[in-house]
Amino acid sequence: EVKLVESGGGLVLPGASLKLSCIVSGFTFSDYWMRWVRQAPGKGLEFIGEIKPDGSKTNYAPSMKGRFTISRDNAKNTLYLQMSSVRSEDTATYYCAIATFAYWGQGTLVTVSS
Amino acid sequence: DVVMTQTPPSLSVAIGQSVSISCKSSQSLVYSDGKTYLHWLLQSPGRSPKRLIYQVSNLGSGVPDRFSGTGSQKDFTLKISRVEAEDLGVYYCAQTTHFPRTFGGGTKLELK
Repeated sequence: EVKLVESGGGLVLPGASLKLSCIVSGFTFSDYWMRWVRQAPGKGLEFIGEIKPDGSKTNYAPSMKGRFTISRDNAKNTLYLQMSSVRSEDTATYYCAIATFAYWGQGTLVTVSS
Repeated sequence: DVVMTQTPPSLSVAIGQSVSISCKSSQSLVYSDGKTYLHWLLQSPGRSPKRLIYQVSNLGSGVPDRFSGTGSQKDFTLKISRVEAEDLGVYYCAQTTHFPRTFGGGTKLELK
């Protein structure tokens, strides 16, 4: 069974940093591009970025570039999203997904508020 | 960025009815390899998105054949034949041909 489990969300102060994790199982993680997508409360889906199977290349949405960093540890079957200088507009549920969109995690909620 | 425009924004349907959702892109979604990376997702209430259709017309694993996708270039349609209660939620089209990847604004399917 394929599973993607995000963690690391919570309440954070504006300007803080946060690192989300996505642990996967049930497929060969190191074979696939992986993506992060977010969804603000009551809003639609927004692409954050993606990472190549070997971690050597990343692509980001222009609005995310510079503050968000995607990485992976294939030995640990884990995808990461490092968020820095967070703002209230970053309040959202963050999903990891395989690049084909065939599998998604359950999401982790990040709330940025003072 | 490629803008994905979905219509209608919402649909009210009766169980057993057939419906169609349109998705239009601001640029052709044909990639250099000749394939078209246009996908359809369903987000049921309180759930993560689920892929229904990939590359315009290919049914995802376990997806009922009541769902079908058609289209080309910049104009795409998702059709649901004989809507069932489990089909309710928000439908999104998504393109992964161009950077950045983009999603449509969603179409909310509700019960009449």
